[in-house]
Amino acid sequence: SQQGEEDPQALSIQEGENATMNCSYKTSINNLQWYRQNSGRGLVHLILIRSNEREKHSGRLRVTLDTSKKSSSLLITASRAADTASYFCATDAREYGNKLVFGAGTILRVKS
Amino acid sequence: GAGVSQSPSNKVTEKGKDVELRCDPISGHTALYWYRQSLGQGLEFLIYFQGNSAPDKSGLPSDRFSAERTGGSVSTLTIQRTQQEDSAVYLCASSLARGNGYTFGSGTRLTVV
Repeated sequence: SQQGEEDPQALSIQEGENATMNCSYKTSINNLQWYRQNSGRGLVHLILIRSNEREKHSGRLRVTLDTSKKSSSLLITASRAADTASYFCATDAREYGNKLVFGAGTILRVKS
Repeated sequence: GAGVSQSPSNKVTEKGKDVELRCDPISGHTALYWYRQSLGQGLEFLIYFQGNSAPDKSGLPSDRFSAERTGGSVSTLTIQRTQQEDSAVYLCASSLARGNGYTFGSGTRLTVV
């Protein structure tokens, strides 16, 4: 079973709208990270949030972490066509050998 | 270098041949991962190197797969006697230390025919 699972699997929105993606995980974590992938090649690191943090911002990105619910969300505000990509959460957890384990991702399509 | 460099970017090989994939991490990065990703799928962990510690090889799918990291820098992933199910994009990532974000290379797309 997956340590991190994203929801929804796919999301289609209009340019200018906000996009919210969720990630649920099973064990206590050291940190949780969000990545973006364009065209099925290299991933780009977006935000890292540590287990003692609840919210982080970077530009139009906002990440929240609820350790009691073992979940995180990534909010992209005022989306642009260029935000079209796959988004992955990854967890660093002692129970998984302190290595970075990725979920299956959310495919986001922003229509112009 | 400025980023993580992987070579080759594309590799087509015949079933049964051996292949070597190379990863040049960012200089000074002590942590290095190999993942693979099949079309439309998530990332499958293969192996993790952290400094001088013994690598975590728990994700290698069979004994046909091996990896090494020489001098704490360049890493090579070797697949022996390739099979068609080995076809995937192989991604390398490095980080200054555990607990930091990772920088990914552009990957090697391996096609076994």
